[in-house]
Order: sequence, then C-alpha cells, then structure tokens
Amino acid sequence: AQTVTQSQPEMSVQEAETVTLSCTYDTSENNYYLFWYKQPPSRQMILVIRQEAYKQQNATENRFSVNFQKAAKSFSLKISDSQLGDTAMYFCAFIVNDMRFGAGTRLTVKP
Amino acid sequence: KAGVTQTPRYLIKTRGQQVTLSCSPISGHRSVSWYQQTPGQGLQFLFEYFSETQRNKGNFPGRFSGRQFSNSRSEMNVSTLELGDSALYLCASSLRATSGFNEQYFGPGTRLTVT
Repeated sequence: AQTVTQSQPEMSVQEAETVTLSCTYDTSENNYYLFWYKQPPSRQMILVIRQEAYKQQNATENRFSVNFQKAAKSFSLKISDSQLGDTAMYFCAFIVNDMRFGAGTRLTVKP
Repeated sequence: KAGVTQTPRYLIKTRGQQVTLSCSPISGHRSVSWYQQTPGQGLQFLFEYFSETQRNKGNFPGRFSGRQFSNSRSEMNVSTLELGDSALYLCASSLRATSGFNEQYFGPGTRLTVT
C-alpha cells in the first residue's frame, strides 16, 4: 500500500523561529516524487517544495528545506524564520502513479 | 498565464440529484486530476485524465465519473448524490501525465454541499 503519514495534526511556532513538520511514507517503488503543499484558509493549494527520490541532495526553496531520508522513508519540512503568512495546513504528498496525500499538519505562526 | 479555474465555486444539491463540476486547466496543460477533500478522509485522488483518456482512477464508486475534452477542460459528474459526498472538490492540472516529475497546479476548488 502507498500511504503517507503526518504524525503532527497541529503545531505552532513563534514568528521568526524555526519549525519542522514530519512526514513518513510507504511505497515499494524506487522512483517517485515527494512534495509539500500548503493550503491557507483560502483553500488554494500551493506547492512549497518538491524532491525527486533519486536525488540524495535535499531540496531547498528560500526559507523552506527538506530532510529526505530515503531508507527511512522520511520527508520532513523545515521552515526557517517563520512568518505569519506561513499559517496554513501543510500536506506531504508523493507520486508514483497518482498523488497520495497525508492527513495534514495545521501550522499556526504566532506573533 | 491564467491559473486553474473551477466552476461553480459553491454548490448546494439535494440527496439523489446529480451534479457536474467543471475544471479549466492552465493553457498548454494536458493532464487534469480530481481530488475530494473532506475533514474525515482528507485529500483523496478521484481520477486523472490525460489527452482525453482516463489514465488513473482512485477508489471511488461508479457514481463518480469524469471526462476530458479536446481543449483539456475536464468535467466530473456525481450521480445519485449522498450526504457523504459533501466535500471540497479540487482539480489540478499539469503539463504531462502525473507519473512524471511535474508540478500539479491546483484550482480554488468547488465546495459541494449535499442536503
């Protein structure tokens, strides 16, 4: 079965601090792609960062970076210098043939 | 470039009725995927269309169907609506088929309420 698990339903962080969201997944495939999506209160899904499973180097996009551990099937998201606009639901997802999402982590950035 | 558009944005239907939702992908995108989002089940994949052909289908009953037109616009239809079909239905488009490494761009969703 291809599943994604986000073990933290809710998290909060103070503005300007760093927070890490956890994600584990299960697949028997060797080639796949991993994503973090953000869904703010507007409900618009926005791609935050993506990672190719065959690349060992962790992806980075400005304040967002991932820690990809393929053997452990772990794909955590680190947000540095958190901003109020980062408040949203964050979904971990991966694609083999179709996209599978985790249950999401609700992140609140406090002023 | 215009983003993914979905119509209508909000819809209220009665049990037993049917509904059709529409999705217009980003210009040039040939793949359209549909997802159902509910508080209880989260985000679940419904189906994907690529070049007018259903390429992949999630684990949903046959009441859920879709199609894609030659201009890549897609519609999904739900027949004999049930209360449990109340959800946010998201459409996403991408340049190529989903199995490739290509970003999916999501629309704003259609909020369906079944009473």
